Amino acid sequence: KAGVTQTPRYLIKTRGQQVTLSCSPISGHRSVSWYQQTPGQGLQFLFEYFSETQRNKGNFPGRFSGRQFSNSRSEMNVSTLELGDSALYLCASSLRLEGDTEAFFGQGTRLTVV
Amino acid sequence: KNQVEQSPQSLIILEGKNCTLQCNYTVSPFSNLRWYKQDTGRGPVSLTIMTFSENTKSNGRYTATLDADTKQSSLHITASQLSDSASYICVVSARRGGSYIPTFGRGTSLIVHP
Repeated sequence: KAGVTQTPRYLIKTRGQQVTLSCSPISGHRSVSWYQQTPGQGLQFLFEYFSETQRNKGNFPGRFSGRQFSNSRSEMNVSTLELGDSALYLCASSLRLEGDTEAFFGQGTRLTVV
Repeated sequence: KNQVEQSPQSLIILEGKNCTLQCNYTVSPFSNLRWYKQDTGRGPVSLTIMTFSENTKSNGRYTATLDADTKQSSLHITASQLSDSASYICVVSARRGGSYIPTFGRGTSLIVHP
């Protein structure tokens, strides 16, 4: 079966712009989590959605937001981009809440803010 | 504050040799501990998931151990292969209400030389 698909794979944006990233989970998975990965900070948890509801959130500013649709696909939005937002953004899907079961990651979206 | 510390930061070994990676954590209340393998430019792939009651779990040549009393885990790789070259990330999740909050280690970068 198809894995987790993230689009786009690469993105270049200018400071102050906003960006929307997309994540299509494995069929049947109801949980989607988002992460930011940078060389300096490593992997950091952004938020998790389950059945269209945000279940928990990491320590990121309100510029980072997300949503999940009825088909479990999820989008993440970052507004007023800053240079420090340059990172690999990963999403992971799981059957249940991620902490309770195996999570499968996508390839990520590499965002560069210039 | 929940923390996960991994050691060593990097490791170089010869093909065929064994190695052990360490993970110490201060995460409460503990729910589970996972080890992931991340190849360069790709999303992490789950190796093992362990709950409080499990102290050993294997996945092929990978064996993870967990000592919940000392809050330590190790990942042992047997008969290393060139394809084992990757970053290995330890993740510990805390259970809060009905949600799970993951804390990530910074990872151990493993290089296997022929």
